[in-house]
Amino acid sequence: KAGVTQTPRYLIKTRGQQVTLSCSPISGHRSVSWYQQTPGQGLQFLFEYFSETQRNKGNFPGRFSGRQFSNSRSEMNVSTLELGDSALYLCASSISTQEAFFGQGTRLTVV
Amino acid sequence: KQEVTQIPAALSVPEGENLVLNCSFTDSAIYNLQWFRQDPGKGLTSLLLIQSSQREQTSGRLNASLDKSSGRSTLYIAASQPGDSATYLCAVLRPGTSYGKLTFGQGTILTVHP
Repeated sequence: KAGVTQTPRYLIKTRGQQVTLSCSPISGHRSVSWYQQTPGQGLQFLFEYFSETQRNKGNFPGRFSGRQFSNSRSEMNVSTLELGDSALYLCASSISTQEAFFGQGTRLTVV
Repeated sequence: KQEVTQIPAALSVPEGENLVLNCSFTDSAIYNLQWFRQDPGKGLTSLLLIQSSQREQTSGRLNASLDKSSGRSTLYIAASQPGDSATYLCAVLRPGTSYGKLTFGQGTILTVHP
């Protein structure tokens, strides 16, 4: 059974640019959540999608957005990148209140 | 607001020792608690999931317990090995409108030296 797949693994972007990250959940998992991990703040919840609908959103500016497709794959977009957006972005998939499985993450560096 | 705290922040032990990592949470109304392992620069690997109705879960050398009433969980690692060196994170899932919003602790950095 394939795990959660995130692409790309690494990205380097310039301030002001935008970026799109992709997450393919485990087959059958309809809930996809995104997290940002930084050394100072730890793991922070960005948002969750279920059946193409955003169910919850963390405390992040509107520059952070996402969507989910009918096959449960999800993308997150960050516009007008800032240096502080440099982080490891993690995606997780789950079924209801069961175990959450994470991908390997996308390391975003903003220069 | 749910807050999760992990103690200690870092731990260094010789190989072969048994050790305990602690996790505490402020709101006992949880669906479940999950322990993860993270290697440097990598994603999270799920170790154990304890549902709110359970008291403990075991997998190999790992045993996790949950005491909802006191807001505590412990992860016990038996006969530690250098390969156990990693950051260990606990996370809780609260009831609400979302099943995907985990609240994480800051983690315990474990180093097991030969």
